[in-house]
Amino acid sequence: DVKVTQSSRYLVKRTGEKVFLECVQDMDHENMFWYRQDPGLGLRLIYFSYDVKMKEKGDIPEGYSVSREKKERFSLILESASTNQTSMYLCASSSLLAGTLYNEQFFGPGTRLTVL
Amino acid sequence: DQQVKQNSPSLSVQEGRISILNCDYTNSMFDYFLWYKKYPAEGPTFLISISSIKDKNEDGRFTVFLNKSAKHLSLHIVPSQPGDSAVYFCAASARGGSNYKLTFGKGTLLTVNP
Repeated sequence: DVKVTQSSRYLVKRTGEKVFLECVQDMDHENMFWYRQDPGLGLRLIYFSYDVKMKEKGDIPEGYSVSREKKERFSLILESASTNQTSMYLCASSSLLAGTLYNEQFFGPGTRLTVL
Repeated sequence: DQQVKQNSPSLSVQEGRISILNCDYTNSMFDYFLWYKKYPAEGPTFLISISSIKDKNEDGRFTVFLNKSAKHLSLHIVPSQPGDSAVYFCAASARGGSNYKLTFGKGTLLTVNP
């Protein structure tokens, strides 16, 4: 079974702090994604990566950056956290060779981030 | 510009009856569609998918129907069970697009009443 893990389930930070959210997958997937989920807005893509050291902006990249130094690990960075970044953050991974599971993304459990 | 739309934020049905969740899309390049289910405080889990070359895919109690001409798909759950209560997200993908990125709808909260 694919396993995607996220470093924290719940996190509370102060405005202006630098925040790191870590995601690790164990299935050698090429693609990794960061989303945020907010009520009434669904899942919105922040950034994704299709290879080590490669990244592409999603729909809402402002205020975020990412790092992918190893294939299994994808980090989301909030350089200076703000209250409007309070949200549920979800990491996902997928494989280019998914076969019948074409484009299926496997999600981690999420990190509920609160910025005070 | 919302390319995948779930126009019903919520749906309530009785246990044992059919649940029908709807999804519309605007991008004609989408060729693969997925439904995800999400419980509170958990990540979404894959439920069922359908390729654009098909109009129906069935897996147990779950059936997805695709009407390409109307750019519409629906998820049928029969019979509905209280454990099906969750948020359901419709997602779509375009082959040849940006590395299999998925575009999600805003979700529909399904409540199945005992």
